[in-house]
Amino acid sequence: GNSVTQMEGPVTLSEEAFLTINCTYTATGYPSLFWYVQYPGEGLQLLLKATKADDKGSNKGFEATYRKETTSFHLEKGSVQVSDSAVYFCALTLGGGTASKLTFGTGTRLQVTL
Amino acid sequence: DGGITQSPKYLFRKEGQNVTLSCEQNLNHDAMYWYRQDPGQGLRLIYYSQIVNDFQKGDIAEGYSVSREKKESFPLTVTSAQKNPTAFYLCASSITNRGFNNEQFFGPGTRLTVL
Repeated sequence: GNSVTQMEGPVTLSEEAFLTINCTYTATGYPSLFWYVQYPGEGLQLLLKATKADDKGSNKGFEATYRKETTSFHLEKGSVQVSDSAVYFCALTLGGGTASKLTFGTGTRLQVTL
Repeated sequence: DGGITQSPKYLFRKEGQNVTLSCEQNLNHDAMYWYRQDPGQGLRLIYYSQIVNDFQKGDIAEGYSVSREKKESFPLTVTSAQKNPTAFYLCASSITNRGFNNEQFFGPGTRLTVL
């Protein structure tokens, strides 16, 4: 079956530090990959996505590259801010033409301090 | 503004009572989904629907029921058969056209507490 594995949190960083959150996946076929972010008490927001190998998704200073050879989609940001504190979910889907179920990782909590 | 609304934000019920969570979208999406989120865990799919009057069980459908009578609406009923219903419930929707990447858009969630 399909699965997503994320590094366990919490990840605690000082403001302006470099962020990496690891994500690896197992899938039958060629999935699309996503990073979603959840702020306290809210629903999920799409942060970035990549639909094929070697694609790089980017948004708000965050980046992730779809690596088929290592089945990975690690999230990076060069300089985090306190406002980036949230839970980050890596997810995949094998959709196209029908409703597509997302398979989520367990989430990684990021805490950024001054 | 297009989006997904869920109501209420917080819901309290006594054990043994059925409760229905609302989800409405005005994005003209064909597909809708319900997820359950527990502390420290990822999201788990309860039910999903590809078109009106059609829906399929997800990974944890036991103790839940849904209906899809209108494209915009996908209510979830948490029945008394659900053994541990206290959780955060998230509704989502997506387009289903082939060639798109099936990004899902999420509502703000309903936190259900069973007393």
